[in-house]
Order: sequence, then C-alpha cells, then structure tokens
Amino acid sequence: GENVEQHPSTLSVQEGDSAVIKCTYSDSASNYFPWYKQELGKRPQLIIDIRSNVGEKKDQRIAVTLNKTAKHFSLHITETQPEDSAVYFCAAGTGSGGYQKVTFGTGTKLQVIP
Amino acid sequence: DSGVTQTPKHLITATGQRVTLRCSPRSGDLSVYWYQQSLDQGLQFLIQYYNGEERAKGNILERFSAQQFPDLHSELNLSSLELGDSALYFCASSVDRGIQYFGAGTRLSVL
Repeated sequence: GENVEQHPSTLSVQEGDSAVIKCTYSDSASNYFPWYKQELGKRPQLIIDIRSNVGEKKDQRIAVTLNKTAKHFSLHITETQPEDSAVYFCAAGTGSGGYQKVTFGTGTKLQVIP
Repeated sequence: DSGVTQTPKHLITATGQRVTLRCSPRSGDLSVYWYQQSLDQGLQFLIQYYNGEERAKGNILERFSAQQFPDLHSELNLSSLELGDSALYFCASSVDRGIQYFGAGTRLSVL
C-alpha cells in the first residue's frame, strides 16, 4: 500500500519567515495530493491540493510543488503569521471518484513565533 | 462548519463496553471515511465506504466495524473497548474530486 513520509515533525519559525514542509510517497499511481491544516482541538481542513498533472499551485501565501519523478511534494508558506500555527498533514491519493483512497502523512507541528 | 455531522461529541465508557459513533455526510457526498487520531498522533485511516459499499480498509481492528446505510449516514462500532482505544474519531465525506470534509469528531474516553 501507499506510504507517505512527512518531515519535519516540528517546525518553529519567526513571524514573517517562510516555512517548508516536505513529503514523499511510495505509490507511483498516486494522483492527488492534498494538504490539511488542523488547529488545536479542531477538525482538519483542506488548505490546498494539487493533482498529478500540475507541478505547482499557489493560493496567496501558500504554495505546493510536486515532483512526480522523485515522488515528493512540498508545502511552502511565506510571510508566516501566528495564526498559521497548527499541525499540517500532507496526503497522497490514488484512484478516482468513489474509489479514491487517501493516505496521510504523520503531520508537522508548525509554531510561528511572534 | 463543514456540513459533516458527527454524534456524539464526547463519549465516556468503560473497558469491555461497546459504543457506536455516528456520521452524517455532506448532502450529496457518497463517500465516507473514518479516521482515528490518538493524542498528538496523526490521522490513522480506518475504513472507507462509497454509496453503501466498503471501498478501502486501513488499520482497522477486528473489534471495530462500520457500515453505511441507504441514506448514506455511517456508523462506526467499537466493541470490547480497551484503554488504548481512547482517541478522537473523525469522519470525513467527499464527492468525486476526492476533497475530504471532516466532521468535528467524537472524543472517546475509555476508563
């Protein structure tokens, strides 16, 4: 089955700096790569996703890059703010439609220091 | 609010007991996923249903079972509960694009 590794497990940055979280996956059939943010005591929420036919996607201060050859993808957060502090999960999905199975990484706890 | 409803929010029970967690997906979503999140841990995928049928299975214990009903709501049954089953259980639903919308979770405490 799919195996998703995520690094680092914890990350502390100063407010205004950039944060990068990296993930690798094992199944070359994976074609969907979402990122979820989970604030303390709350549900995970999708913040950005990318599909295998796209190399990079941006949404304001958040960007995700995908390298299918190397089987890795990354989340980049620029100009970090205290409200970015949360646990971030990457995931890799295979299949399509109702057959999609998503495997999550182990999470990165991001702390933005004011 | 994601549109996914989970009940109850909290559940306290004793070892050896059986509980049922309920999930109502977003309107129109056919897929339901169940996850277990222990303290400071990641999301462990348990099982997925699509339109009433089991589609994928993760690290779900034999003591656990689930089903999805014709109205698309789903139930996760946990039996012979152990202390280690204490966790936050999330349900998520999705449509074809694969984006999962999570419920607020059910916090299970086994004493």
